Amino acid sequence: DTAVSQTPKYLVTQMGNDKSIKCEQNLGHDTMYWYKQDSKKFLKIMFSYNNKELIINETVPNRFSPKSPDKAHLNLHINSLELGDSAVYFCASSQEPPRGNQPQHFGDGTRLSIL
Amino acid sequence: KQEVTQIPAALSVPEGENLVLNCSFTDSAIYNLQWFRQDPGKGLTSLLLIQSSQREQTSGRLNASLDKSSGRSTLYIAASQPGDSATYLCAGPTGANNLFFGTGTRLTVIP
Repeated sequence: DTAVSQTPKYLVTQMGNDKSIKCEQNLGHDTMYWYKQDSKKFLKIMFSYNNKELIINETVPNRFSPKSPDKAHLNLHINSLELGDSAVYFCASSQEPPRGNQPQHFGDGTRLSIL
Repeated sequence: KQEVTQIPAALSVPEGENLVLNCSFTDSAIYNLQWFRQDPGKGLTSLLLIQSSQREQTSGRLNASLDKSSGRSTLYIAASQPGDSATYLCAGPTGANNLFFGTGTRLTVIP
């Protein structure tokens, strides 16, 4: 059974469109994350939710809006997509926030390409 | 802000060789240090997590060490196998409760 699953796996769309990426975890974890991995493979945190509440919100354009309907889901909605948004987006989860001593579990990523 | 550097950026070794991957960080007030591997087209898989009060952790052929005072961690892989080929990343959270990742070391084990 997949622990952290993201959909879609690939997303190709036009500049200016609005799109959503969904993430679900079946590990019973309290904390979920969104990361962006750029073309140079650098991985950077975007958002983190703990028990459905936002605890980390890095400098990310407000075109990106996370939504956590429950502890098992953290979706990412992106408005007015730009060329620079092309990247791989990873969802992850952990039992505790990063300062705890539990590792993070990652999904396989969503490869977003903006035409 | 925490900065994490990994050296080398890429490494090729023949099968069976022992190797060491390096990770250095600027903020020694980390709560833990985590090592992950990333296979092409996949997400990250957690390998080892060293708590700030620990010096090392071992799992099978992997051994990770942590020296907070010098801002360094190493991942030692014994008797490398082709299946070890992947990108290895280290990461450590600080007071900002944020997990800062290094740029990774791409390892190729040649059969």
